[in-house]
Amino acid sequence: GESVGLHLPTLSVQEGDNSIINCAYSNSASDYFIWYKQESGKGPQFIIDIRSNMDKRQGQRVTVLLNKTVKHLSLQIAATQPGDSAVYFCAEKYNAGNMLTFGGGTRLMVKP
Amino acid sequence: EAGVVQSPRYKIIEKKQPVAFWCNPISGHNTLYWYLQNLGQGPELLIRYENEEAVDDSQLPKDRFSAERLKGVDSTLKIQPAELGDSAVYLCASSLSPTNEQFFGPGTRLTVL
Repeated sequence: GESVGLHLPTLSVQEGDNSIINCAYSNSASDYFIWYKQESGKGPQFIIDIRSNMDKRQGQRVTVLLNKTVKHLSLQIAATQPGDSAVYFCAEKYNAGNMLTFGGGTRLMVKP
Repeated sequence: EAGVVQSPRYKIIEKKQPVAFWCNPISGHNTLYWYLQNLGQGPELLIRYENEEAVDDSQLPKDRFSAERLKGVDSTLKIQPAELGDSAVYLCASSLSPTNEQFFGPGTRLTVL
């Protein structure tokens, strides 16, 4: 079946550097995408979302880019901090089913 | 405001035993979800409730799993009998409606021996 996946299972960055986490999706009908952050022992926490009629959206220190041509989603974290260490998931949704489909996760490790 | 509450946080049982998980959603949230999360993977939807009605349970293994949401507030998820492969984290989430943001609880980590 169609699925959402990630390219890198683990990303290690130096504190203060920028981080980029990538995600590939295969369902062309998806029109809404979300990035979640999950810390150890906690549930996923909403970070930022983007609709398919946009190609970029910015939040505080985070930016999500959507490339519908190649079905690619990325999360950019500026000035990465130790508190950003977590597993990050992308998720997709399409209105017909209102069901959220998650990818496999990327672990971000921030070195002090 | 309190978030989604789940209990227990951890549960260890032997295979073939029954187990139950409890979820209290955020007050006023009509939509409640149960997800299963295996290690290193994203959550997978098991069942979704709109108030007390299960509107999407296609991914719930009905031979051993059951769920209920009496009065449209708290919900319980039960496994009977548990199998080794059921070891995972069971997450509960809630939202105002199916199109609103989902808020996740901390999950219950189940270990089946």
